[in-house]
Amino acid sequence: RKEVEQDPGPFNVPEGATVAFNCTYSNSASQSFFWYRQDCRKEPKLLMSVYSSGNEDGRFTAQLNRASQYISLLIRDSKLSDSATYLCVVIPNNAGNMLTFGGGTRLMVKP
Amino acid sequence: NAGVMQNPRHLVRRRGQEARLRCSPMKGHSHVYWYRQLPEEGLKFMVYLQKENIIDESGMPKERFSAEFPKEGPSILRIQQVVRGDSAAYFCASSEPGRIYGYTFGSGTRLTVV
Repeated sequence: RKEVEQDPGPFNVPEGATVAFNCTYSNSASQSFFWYRQDCRKEPKLLMSVYSSGNEDGRFTAQLNRASQYISLLIRDSKLSDSATYLCVVIPNNAGNMLTFGGGTRLMVKP
Repeated sequence: NAGVMQNPRHLVRRRGQEARLRCSPMKGHSHVYWYRQLPEEGLKFMVYLQKENIIDESGMPKERFSAEFPKEGPSILRIQQVVRGDSAAYFCASSEPGRIYGYTFGSGTRLTVV
């Protein structure tokens, strides 16, 4: 079983739609969680951290469910510019600051 | 304050040659991380260094790959006798010591082995 699993997609949605991505992780002692965004042939960029209480940044909402070892990202009112690959990232316990990446979920927002 | 700087952006090597990838951390950062992204795959951790010391190299292939972060100058990821399977994007990131957070990556070096 992979340490961090994501549905690779692609998710094809129209502009204005709401879309949700899920991610599961295998190490129950994992301590930190993030969503990154990666555009084609570019470096990954930190989108947001994920907390148990949930957190929101504009149109983006992230949730963490430690009991189910599940992380989600919700994007409301999708824009064409949201088209990218979204990477679920976990720092396992006692891993220092090394990030474990999921394979990514590709989002295509169409006009 | 410049971000993490990597060079070259693109590197083409013939099979059997050596590839040297450079990473200059953000100002004030003494820890460097290297990750590799094979085509159509996610990023995989390779090595974690602080100046003059390797902290964790558990993700490095056992042969042909080495990394260093000298007291002066950039961190270097060195691949000897490259093979086609080494073709990938290599990303570097840096952080301050002792902090756990989602750090910022450099723009990467795309290595193509022909």
